[in-house]
Amino acid sequence: RKEVEQDPGPFNVPEGATVAFNCTYSNSASQSFFWYRQDCRKEPKLLMSVYSSGNEDGRFTAQLNRASQYISLLIRDSKLSDSATYLCTKGDYKLSFGAGTTVTVRA
Amino acid sequence: DAGVIQSPRHEVTEMGQEVTLRCKPISGHNSLFWYRQTMMRGLELLIYFNNNVPIDDSGMPEDRFSAKMPNASFSTLKIQPSEPRDSAVYFCASSRTGVGNTEAFFGQGTRLTVV
Repeated sequence: RKEVEQDPGPFNVPEGATVAFNCTYSNSASQSFFWYRQDCRKEPKLLMSVYSSGNEDGRFTAQLNRASQYISLLIRDSKLSDSATYLCTKGDYKLSFGAGTTVTVRA
Repeated sequence: DAGVIQSPRHEVTEMGQEVTLRCKPISGHNSLFWYRQTMMRGLELLIYFNNNVPIDDSGMPEDRFSAKMPNASFSTLKIQPSEPRDSAVYFCASSRTGVGNTEAFFGQGTRLTVV
């Protein structure tokens, strides 16, 4: 089993909708987690950190559920510019990434 | 800060040739990662260095792949001989490791095509 697993999607949503997806992890000792965003043919870039119970940044909310070993990302009032692949990773020494969840926001 | 710098950005080579990818991490970062990304397999960690020392190379697919980090400001990933299945985007990333501070910054990647 991979250390980090994600639903690849794609999630196709209309502008203004709310979209949410999860990332499960296998090592319960992980203390920190990160969501990265990757645009087509670009490098991944940090979107949000999740250190404890959760984090909110504008339209984006990340939550950590230690009991069930997953983190979630919720995007409210989605914009066309939110279309991307979202990668999660455990903040352990070797940064294992999930395969990514593709989100497409349509007009 | 110039960020993580990778070269070349694109490489097209013939099967059997040697390929060398280069990476300059962000100054002050003590961890360096090499990743390979394909549609089928996603973003795979190949090798991780800490303070210039290879810590985990379990992701290196086979002996044709080797990586070095002779100093804190330079790393190479070499494929010899290259094969068509090595075609992928190779990313280098660096971070300043520490408790709760392992955000990684990625280079723009090298798009490798082996024909």
